[in-house]
Amino acid sequence: AQTVTQSQPEMSVQEAETVTLSCTYDTSESDYYLFWYKQPPSRQMILVIRQEAYKQQNATENRFSVNFQKAAKSFSLKISDSQLGDAAMYFCAYRSSTYKYIFGTGTRLKVLA
Amino acid sequence: KAGVTQTPRYLIKTRGQQVTLSCSPISGHRSVSWYQQTPGQGLQFLFEYFSETQRNKGNFPGRFSGRQFSNSRSEMNVSTLELGDSALYLCASRLGGRARDTQYFGPGTRLTVL
Repeated sequence: AQTVTQSQPEMSVQEAETVTLSCTYDTSESDYYLFWYKQPPSRQMILVIRQEAYKQQNATENRFSVNFQKAAKSFSLKISDSQLGDAAMYFCAYRSSTYKYIFGTGTRLKVLA
Repeated sequence: KAGVTQTPRYLIKTRGQQVTLSCSPISGHRSVSWYQQTPGQGLQFLFEYFSETQRNKGNFPGRFSGRQFSNSRSEMNVSTLELGDSALYLCASRLGGRARDTQYFGPGTRLTVL
């Protein structure tokens, strides 16, 4: 069975600084997708970034980028130039080849002014 | 394009009652998934419907059921409510037919069981 682990329950970052959120996963599949979702206090889950396992190039979306290490089964999220609006719960998610999603327990990110 | 909508947004029920939650996916999306989110268990997958058929199922008791209509709208039903069913129930939709598509979440229904 696949598992997703986020070992940092909470992180803090100064505004304009960079922060990295960690995620590891376990799977025996070779074809899968990985995602980072953001859930602000309003509770609406928003897709931040996604990575296809077959792609070696790390995904980037503006200030958000990932470090995907397939052999190590690691998928960290880097947020550059942190903004107050980045404060939220961040969930790492794995999607299997059968379209089943598994979420990590989340990391609460606090952005300090 | 309108996003995923869920109704109602808030619901209070008592133990033993049943409840039905509704989800309208993004127009054109044929897959709808349901999740239960609680502080203790995090986000747990309930089931996925695609073209009116249940395609995936999580590890929840039979009290949790769902269905999908021909217009892709989905309902989730919980019978004989227990206190532990208090949670945020999230619905997510995606196109469903291709491997590259992404799921988008609704705002959730907050269910409180007293």
